[in-house]
Amino acid sequence: VVLTQTPLSSPVTLGQAASISCRSSQSLVHRDGNTYLSWLHQRPGQPPRLLIYKVSNRFSGVPDRFSGSGAGTYFTLRISRVEAEDVGVYYCTQASQFPWTFGQGTKVEIK
Amino acid sequence: QVQLVESGGSVVQPGWSLRLSCTASGFTFSSYVMHWLRQAPGKGLEWVAVMSPDGSHKYYTESVEGRFTISRDNSRNTLYLQMNSLRVEDTATYYCAREGIGPLHDYWGQGTVVTVS
Repeated sequence: VVLTQTPLSSPVTLGQAASISCRSSQSLVHRDGNTYLSWLHQRPGQPPRLLIYKVSNRFSGVPDRFSGSGAGTYFTLRISRVEAEDVGVYYCTQASQFPWTFGQGTKVEIK
Repeated sequence: QVQLVESGGSVVQPGWSLRLSCTASGFTFSSYVMHWLRQAPGKGLEWVAVMSPDGSHKYYTESVEGRFTISRDNSRNTLYLQMNSLRVEDTATYYCAREGIGPLHDYWGQGTVVTVS
């Protein structure tokens, strides 16, 4: 499954919203009925950390300014009000079909 | 809290071998599927290998099949990646990750750097 993210770079103003899209080459609906699409955030020099799982569920400790949506082959991560700590690279990833794959990453930076 | 600590990364020459370790704490290691993933310098994320909780099932990405071996010791809460016949293109930070939400990775280690040059 190929995941294509847009944009690849997103300069944003502090306090403004940001949105990242992830398009899949195949449906991500698993045979069990779940859609195993998640979003990861990687700050410079840090490992990735899980933000959103199964399309729209925030992981433990993730601020509510992060939200995920979508279905089938098109998904979106939205940050309602960007803060300085949100800089870094965001990846979508799927686990509905073997093997696990990742989008190319979207770099979010402050204008 | 869940912790995953990788070790074993080094600078090696092409054709050499290396074994990575990932020591887990804060959860019942023997109950979870575990993965190795990697990230080449300045590049994106790539899944490498996965192993079932009891070690009976393991799968690899095509580029490492036959060269890398994933294993685990549940008595030591440790996951391993034996890497043989290393190539320049295996240069990356290697992460272990827990499969905790369906088949999704929920916790990642800090990573260990492997340089093949």
